[in-house]
Amino acid sequence: DQQVKQNSPSLSVQEGRISILNCDYTNSMFDYFLWYKKYPAEGPTFLISISSIKDKNEDGRFTVFLNKSAKHLSLHIVPSQPGDSAVYFCAASRNSGNTPLVFGKGTRLSVIA
Amino acid sequence: NAGVMQNPRHLVRRRGQEARLRCSPVKGHSHVYWYRQLPEEGLKFMVYLQKENIIDESGMPKERFSAEFPKEGPSILRIQQVVRGDSAAYFCASSPDKNTGELFFGEGSRLTVL
Repeated sequence: DQQVKQNSPSLSVQEGRISILNCDYTNSMFDYFLWYKKYPAEGPTFLISISSIKDKNEDGRFTVFLNKSAKHLSLHIVPSQPGDSAVYFCAASRNSGNTPLVFGKGTRLSVIA
Repeated sequence: NAGVMQNPRHLVRRRGQEARLRCSPVKGHSHVYWYRQLPEEGLKFMVYLQKENIIDESGMPKERFSAEFPKEGPSILRIQQVVRGDSAAYFCASSPDKNTGELFFGEGSRLTVL
């Protein structure tokens, strides 16, 4: 049972344009959401997070939007850069982050110069 | 860089052998998590440990798999009598005392079972 779903396995975007990565979840008990970025042969690195009390969190070029009623979140990267090419994982947790993270399968982003 | 250190990075075992994967968390972190990534899959939670205690092992297979995080030394994930289906990347992560949900991951140990 996939509680966190990333339905797009891959995404290609031109350099300088916006990248939008989507994530859906099924467990209404999730209240803390994170995005991780992973390069080949490396471990995932934390990118940005959002608590369910917010609907938006911004950090530089990265913005995460949360729509609780739709159980949907998205990561916006603008402007996209070639160095952003990686696999992006959406993750969710209950109890304000105090339970183990549940990850989606990831979306491979390719930013084309 | 005193990040999460995992070794070995690559491990090849024949069916029936044992695999031991080691993880040293970020200095000062007392929470350790093990995740497994099968090909074309996301990371699946296996076990959450604090020093000398298993807090949550709900993701661990019931047989052949065990984990520990002793008072001294690294955390160990042990897989006995490996089978081909155990071939995967095993990631260790750590977090500081106050668990904020943000995990710091190691580079992973890739196990191949022949």
